[in-house]
Amino acid sequence: NAGVMQNPRHLVRRRGQEARLRCSPMKGHSHVYWYRQLPEEGLKFMVYLQKENIIDESGMPKERFSAEFPKEGPSILRIQQVVRGDSAAYFCASSPLGEGAGNTIYFGEGSWLTVV
Amino acid sequence: DAKTTQPPSMDCAEGRAANLPCNHSTISGNEYVYWYRQIHSQGPQYIIHGLKNNETNEMASLIITEDRKSSTLILPHATLRDTAVYYCIVRNSGGSNYKLTFGKGTLLTVNP
Repeated sequence: NAGVMQNPRHLVRRRGQEARLRCSPMKGHSHVYWYRQLPEEGLKFMVYLQKENIIDESGMPKERFSAEFPKEGPSILRIQQVVRGDSAAYFCASSPLGEGAGNTIYFGEGSWLTVV
Repeated sequence: DAKTTQPPSMDCAEGRAANLPCNHSTISGNEYVYWYRQIHSQGPQYIIHGLKNNETNEMASLIITEDRKSSTLILPHATLRDTAVYYCIVRNSGGSNYKLTFGKGTLLTVNP
C-alpha cells in the first residue's frame, strides 16, 4: 500500500518565482493536510482539505499561499512570489476520515523548498 | 488539546529497550495519546496511539498510567535506525483534531 506521495522532494526557486508542491494521498484517503517545518522549528499546521473543499486554512499565510485538492489529481500547495523566508520543509499528510478516533494521519516524506 | 511535556533528549544503547516518557496531566477523557517520530530529513512517521489501555504493535508498546496523566513509549530493542525525534501528542477524538500540535519532542540517540 503506497504511502503519501509528495513531489518534488527538493525544489530550488529564485525569489519572486512560484513554487508548486504536489501531494497524492494514500489510497482510500480523501482528507489531506499540509504542514510546514521551518529550519530548526517544529511542524505547524497550514491547511486541511477534502476533495474540492478547503475545510480549514487557518494556519496558512494570508498572502501568496493557496491550496487545492481537485476532484481528480493530487493536492497542490502553491506559493507565489516566493521569498527567502518560505524556505522550509512542506509535509503533506492524509487520513481516511476528517475526525474521529479512526482518523490516524499519515505523512509523506516532504518537499524541501529552498529560495535563493 | 492537552499540553504534553517530554525530556528534550535521551540516549539508549543499541539492542536495549528505549523508554520515552511523556506527561499529559491535563488530558481529558476523550483525548487520545499519539506518538510519532521524525528521522532526520524525513516526514513524521506514525508509531502508535491509545486511549486508556496499553497498546502494542510491530513498532512499539504504549503504556498509559491508570490516571492517564502520563505515558511511556517503549521500543523493545532499539537499533541505530531508531535515532529520531519522538513526539507525544494528545488529540481530541473529534472536532478539529486534524491540527496535530507538535511540540519539541525527545531526541532519542541510539548508540552502538
